[in-house]
Amino acid sequence: TQLLEQSPQFLSIQEGENLTVYCNSSSVFSSLQWYRQEPGEGPVLLVTVVTGGEVKKLKRLTFQFGDARKDSSLHITAAQPGDTGLYLCAQKSGYALNFGKGTSLLVTP
Amino acid sequence: DTAVSQTPKYLVTQMGNDKSIKCEQNLGHDTMYWYKQDSKKFLKIMFSYNNKELIINETVPNRFSPKSPDKAHLNLHINSLELGDSAVYFCASGRVEQKLFFGSGTQLSVL
Repeated sequence: TQLLEQSPQFLSIQEGENLTVYCNSSSVFSSLQWYRQEPGEGPVLLVTVVTGGEVKKLKRLTFQFGDARKDSSLHITAAQPGDTGLYLCAQKSGYALNFGKGTSLLVTP
Repeated sequence: DTAVSQTPKYLVTQMGNDKSIKCEQNLGHDTMYWYKQDSKKFLKIMFSYNNKELIINETVPNRFSPKSPDKAHLNLHINSLELGDSAVYFCASGRVEQKLFFGSGTQLSVL
């Protein structure tokens, strides 16, 4: 099982600030998924990145896949309280989806 | 019209009891999963079933027994509950190499 390292573990910021969270592995990803989990709910897929160097945007969220496909980042511009949640990167390997330990984000008004 | 529904949402029980969590999906997926999320929020796969057949069984105590009566259901039965079993259990479904859809979780508290 490929180990996914996420950083930072916790992040507390004010509304309007920008932030970046990271997902790294020592091995190459075939593809990578980012999920957001809100309190009391299950994770929900935000995006899948497949190609090295790929950049995908989802409103104020920008996802980047490293050229070597061993790392990925999620950048949030002008964070809002609704962005609060646990951000998880995950790698699908056959039937299994293995998660990193997540970044817990708190955005305060 | 919930895609993946699991019951109950909360489960509080004594050590040594046996309990079950039920999961149903209406998405027509062939593959279903059980995940355990610990107090540090780490989400770890426990089991996966494809077309009612067990295909992933991580290092889970054999007190945990999944049962898939049909492709739309995957239930989790836990015998002789222990304090360390306290966690949030998530059911999920999906297709191979695609995204997973998760239920809203069952918070199990063993006293």
